[in-house]
Amino acid sequence: KNEVEQSPQNLTAQEGEFITINCSYSVGISALHWLQQHPGGGIVSLFMLSSGKKKHGRLIATINIQEKHSSLHITASHPRDSAVYICAGTMDSNYQLIWGAGTKLIIKP
Amino acid sequence: DAMVIQNPRYQVTQFGKPVTLSCSQTLNHNVMYWYQQKSSQAPKLLFHYYDKDFNNEADTPDNFQSRRPNTSFCFLDIRSPGLGDAAMYLCATSRTGRYNEQFFGPGTRLTVL
Repeated sequence: KNEVEQSPQNLTAQEGEFITINCSYSVGISALHWLQQHPGGGIVSLFMLSSGKKKHGRLIATINIQEKHSSLHITASHPRDSAVYICAGTMDSNYQLIWGAGTKLIIKP
Repeated sequence: DAMVIQNPRYQVTQFGKPVTLSCSQTLNHNVMYWYQQKSSQAPKLLFHYYDKDFNNEADTPDNFQSRRPNTSFCFLDIRSPGLGDAAMYLCATSRTGRYNEQFFGPGTRLTVL
């Protein structure tokens, strides 16, 4: 069964803290997406990874293909980073997304 | 800026009254997707197009239909909305291929009275 599991479900931190959200995925998934959704808002694609590491501003995403694990890191977190972060896997067979349950992140000032 | 646009952002309809949601894109992507997202849940794929080739998910109710008259536009028709169809509807686009990101529109929030 194609699955994507995220942890933690909820995360509250103080402004400035280093944040890590984890995602593990099953066989049959060839690429991982990290997406962000603000309350009541649309979804923004942050990264798409099939190997290695990507960085954009304060956001860093890594993927370990052998372990089928990906992480999203936020450095120097800020209240505006508060959102739901979702990892989703691209299926080998039909390129559709298998969605994780999301991590609700709250950064307190 | 290239983007995915959805109209309207908020739609209120009455139980059983047909409604159409629209999506347009300036990215020239050949794949377009419609998702339904209910509160605190992951988006659920309703259907998608590879160019004009329509692909319906097995569990998408017949009440939901879609049209893609050209590359830029895609419509979601809900023939007889029920209370359970109240949700956020998200349109997304991508290029064909395994390693292509999906780009999402801002969504249309549908309320059914």
